[in-house]
Amino acid sequence: KNQVEQSPQSLIILEGKNCTLQCNYTVSPFSNLRWYKQDTGRGPVSLTIMTFSENTKSNGRYTATLDADTKQSSLHITASQLSDSASYICVAGGSQGNLIFGKGTKLSVKP
Amino acid sequence: EAQVTQNPRYLITVTGKKLTVTCSQNMNHEYMSWYRQDPGLGLRQIYYSMNVEVTDKGDVPEGYKVSRKEKRNFPLILESPSPNQTSLYFCASSFGAIAEAFFGQGTRLTVV
Repeated sequence: KNQVEQSPQSLIILEGKNCTLQCNYTVSPFSNLRWYKQDTGRGPVSLTIMTFSENTKSNGRYTATLDADTKQSSLHITASQLSDSASYICVAGGSQGNLIFGKGTKLSVKP
Repeated sequence: EAQVTQNPRYLITVTGKKLTVTCSQNMNHEYMSWYRQDPGLGLRQIYYSMNVEVTDKGDVPEGYKVSRKEKRNFPLILESPSPNQTSLYFCASSFGAIAEAFFGQGTRLTVV
């Protein structure tokens, strides 16, 4: 069964600190791995998209990694800001165009 | 302004009364899709469309229909809504299945 597991479920960090969110997926046939940021009640916003042949991709303070052999991805946030407080969603894309979403990691950045 | 527009934003309806949630994009995107988001379950894909007249089932298609008669519009149809379809719905579009997706503002549907 296609699925995406994220950890931790929630995380609290102090402003200025770094953090890393984890994602394991079992989607076949696999095509791409995405990370989204979602504020409460709003639509998700794309952070990074990686195809199966890419290992890392950055978007400002966000850096995503992908290991297609172990089916794992991570999202690293550097020098966190209060505005980083949101849910971060890992999404695995199948080669047929389908998308499988993780349940997200809720990040709270405290001053 | 490039955007994905969903209507209505909020809807309360009764069981069995057919409804349509519209989705329109002005970016000439080929790929469009519908999702529902429920507490504890996250986002789940309902249907997606790779192009005009091409639609495919996502993870949770039961109870929903879609059509893609033109590129910019991708309506979601609930022929006979039931309370378990109470949810927050999002439409999204992108240039292709691997491209960055743009999401609409969401439609909060309540079926009583």
